[in-house]
This record gives sequence, C-alpha cells and structure tokens, in this order.
Amino acid sequence: GAVVSQHPSRVICKSGTSVKIECRSLDFQATTMFWYRQFPKQSLMLMATSNEGSKATYEQGVEKDKFLINHASLTLSTLTVTSAHPEDSSFYICSARDTLSGGGIQYFGAGTRLSVL
Amino acid sequence: AQTVTQSQPEMSVQEAETVTLSCTYDTSESNYYLFWYKQPPSRQMILVIRQEAYKQQNATENRFSVNFQKAAKSFSLKISDSQLGDTAMYFCAFMKHENFGNEKLTFGTGTRLTIIP
Repeated sequence: GAVVSQHPSRVICKSGTSVKIECRSLDFQATTMFWYRQFPKQSLMLMATSNEGSKATYEQGVEKDKFLINHASLTLSTLTVTSAHPEDSSFYICSARDTLSGGGIQYFGAGTRLSVL
Repeated sequence: AQTVTQSQPEMSVQEAETVTLSCTYDTSESNYYLFWYKQPPSRQMILVIRQEAYKQQNATENRFSVNFQKAAKSFSLKISDSQLGDTAMYFCAFMKHENFGNEKLTFGTGTRLTIIP
C-alpha cells in the first residue's frame, strides 16, 4: 500500500526557535498534501492544503506566517513552525493524495509530536 | 459547510463480539465520499473503509462493513468478530467530491473503542 513518511516523530525545542517537519510520499506522487493538527483526545483539524508548485491554502484562523508550508516536489512537503511557543505544542499529522488514483483517499504519516519548552 | 457527528465518545465490547459505531453528517452536496479511519495508540491514521455516495451498495472490507443511509445522512461502521487489535480511536470523515487538489476531509470527534479480552 501507499506509504507516507513523516519526520521527525518527536521534537522538543526551546521557545522562539523554528522547527521543520517533513512529509514524504515514498511510493507514489502526491500533487496535494494536507497538514493537520491534533490536540490530546481530540479530532484532526485541517491546517492547510499544500499543492506542488503553488502556494498553500490555509484554513481560517491558521497563521500562514507562523506555519510555513513548502511543497517543492511531487513527493515532499514541509511544515515549518516559526518562532515556536508553548501553545504550538501539539501533534501534527500530514497526509497525501495519490496523483494517479481517484476516490479521495488520503494516506497519512505517523505524525510528529512537538513540545515547545 | 459540512459537519460530521459521532455521538458515542467511548464504547467497549468483548472480544469476538460485534459492535456498531454511529456517524451522522450534514451536507447539501449530492456527490461525496465517506470514510472510517482508525487511529490506534501509535496514532497512525489507517483507512478502514470508504463509501462513495452515488453507490447504493454498502461497502465491506473483511470484518468491517458500513450501513450507508443517504437520505438519513447516516454512515455507521460494523465490526464483526472484534479482535484486540481493533482497539483504537475511530473517526468518521466526509469529503466533498471536488476538483483534484482541493479535497478536504472533515472529521467527526471520534469514538474510542476498547476490545475487552
């Protein structure tokens, strides 16, 4: 089956630093990738839609200057949390759509737990 | 905007028994997809089953089946012969059939299912 690799799985950083999270589709091309945030015991909330070669589309209330998204190739999207603060601590999950298949299926990465001290 | 409601925050069932998880949704769209995703303790999101709204036949995947009632906007998941590995958070999700690159998943709040040995 389709595999999405997300790295790192866990990161701890100091307040004010920036953190980059990578999302790679390993065995398929992904024109579109998605970034979600999940708080403890809650559902996934879509942060932004990332399309290869164009600017990301952010959901209402998500700060585009805080959460920088780059989708420079058909297999890689990155999320950079800039000037991280403790309130940015959360579980971040990416997903990817297989460009060549239909049916709306998204394949998910294993997530990144971000802790900001 | 679409909404997805899961009215059972937690459920538990004995191993080998059958359990049904409820999901209702609200939309004015006629063409869409519905999904059940599973999130075990590892937090990796795994696709359980998918239903296309234009298909009247209920989707099945081995021990997993759905009861899709389009008029009632209901999409329940039945797990037969439940196994310990089925213990997880289960999310119902809706996706409007959009142009490629703009499909968004709207998740319900989840049902935490525990299989008791």
